[in-house]
Amino acid sequence: NAGVTQTPKFQVLKTGQSMTLQCAQDMNHNSMYWYRQDPGMGLRLIYYSASEGTTDKGEVPNGYNVSRLNKREFSLRLESAAPSQTSVYFCASSAPAGHQYFGPGTRLLVL
Amino acid sequence: KQEVTQIPAALSVPEGENLVLNCSFTDSAIYNLQWFRQDPGKGLTSLLLIQSSQREQTSGRLNASLDKSSGRSTLYIAASQPGDSATYLCAVTSLGGGSYIPTFGRGTSLIVHP
Repeated sequence: NAGVTQTPKFQVLKTGQSMTLQCAQDMNHNSMYWYRQDPGMGLRLIYYSASEGTTDKGEVPNGYNVSRLNKREFSLRLESAAPSQTSVYFCASSAPAGHQYFGPGTRLLVL
Repeated sequence: KQEVTQIPAALSVPEGENLVLNCSFTDSAIYNLQWFRQDPGKGLTSLLLIQSSQREQTSGRLNASLDKSSGRSTLYIAASQPGDSATYLCAVTSLGGGSYIPTFGRGTSLIVHP
């Protein structure tokens, strides 16, 4: 049972480059989330998807887009990376109002 | 807007002490509260989930309580061990726009020294 998986684990980008962070869960959860974690700022919600086919903005959505490809997969795209997007990105999934399960994270450095 | 505060931000204790971590939230209309552990460079591991109708949950040496009306939760760790050293985060789930939205505190960094 893999739980929540994320790829890649680590990425270095130059300012202006684009990339997609992938997330998949095998727990048949309806809800999926993308967070970023920065020192001193805690975890902040970027986007979430309450069910397949729906996505909504969280606290810090600017500069990001998401796709809920199917029930298992939820991707996060940076169209034009900026140094301010240097962070650790976590994907999570849950049943409605249930336990959240987190992936191992993607460490992104934008130069 | 829901805000979650964790006190203290950091804590250093000798092995064997019982300790309490605090979490407070501004909007009492929550669905649940979850405590997590995060080791350096790792993801979050769920420790305990308390539904809004519950008062406490226990798992081994951990006990979490919830007082929804006062907007507070505590995580009690009994007989602390060096292996308990980690950052502990709490998150409350509220209803927003028809969806369940989690809001996290900034965490308490715990060091248990031998």
